[in-house]
Amino acid sequence: KQEVTQIPAALSVPEGENLVLNCSFTDSAIYNLQWFRQDPGKGLTSLLLIQSSQREQTSGRLNASLDKSSGRSTLYIAASQPGDSATYLCAASNDYKLSFGAGTTVTVRA
Amino acid sequence: SAVISQKPSRDICQRGTSLTIQCQVDSQVTMMFWYRQQPGQSLTLIATANQGSEATYESGFVIDKFPISRPNLTFSTLTVSNMSPEDSSIYLCSATGGSSYEQYFGPGTRLTVT
Repeated sequence: KQEVTQIPAALSVPEGENLVLNCSFTDSAIYNLQWFRQDPGKGLTSLLLIQSSQREQTSGRLNASLDKSSGRSTLYIAASQPGDSATYLCAASNDYKLSFGAGTTVTVRA
Repeated sequence: SAVISQKPSRDICQRGTSLTIQCQVDSQVTMMFWYRQQPGQSLTLIATANQGSEATYESGFVIDKFPISRPNLTFSTLTVSNMSPEDSSIYLCSATGGSSYEQYFGPGTRLTVT
């Protein structure tokens, strides 16, 4: 059974600082790994998808890396803004089903 | 990408009753899933909704409690039966398709059972 862990559980940074969010998973036979953003009381917004054959994926200020052999993914958010405040979830896909981590709640202080 | 809508967005229900949640996707998708997010928790997969056949349930979830239908490639329903306060959660529908199998989520249904 896939187990996904996210560290840290919460993070508070001043505006402009870079964010580093960590995700680890136990079963390296993943199809892909997705990073999501969830605002309070809302659904999930897909941020980045990394296929198992890829090492990283970038979208604007966001960059995600994947190391399947060590079971790790990292989400980098450059030059954080107060609008980046949310909970970030990573999810590993096995047989197209997602296993989620508990999330990292990010607060960016103006 | 796929755009997913859910109805209702929220509901308050009495213990012992049932609620059916609808999920509509704006395009044909290969797979649809239902997840539960209990208060303060992450998401847990309930089942895979299979088109034209019985859903595939994850460990800890049973058809009698969470019957699921998927009559076509764009629509699915989840029923939460004989509800108790422990069923108070956000229920989310997701869909995937295409070569990347990126999953997209609906806005969720916030259920409160009193």
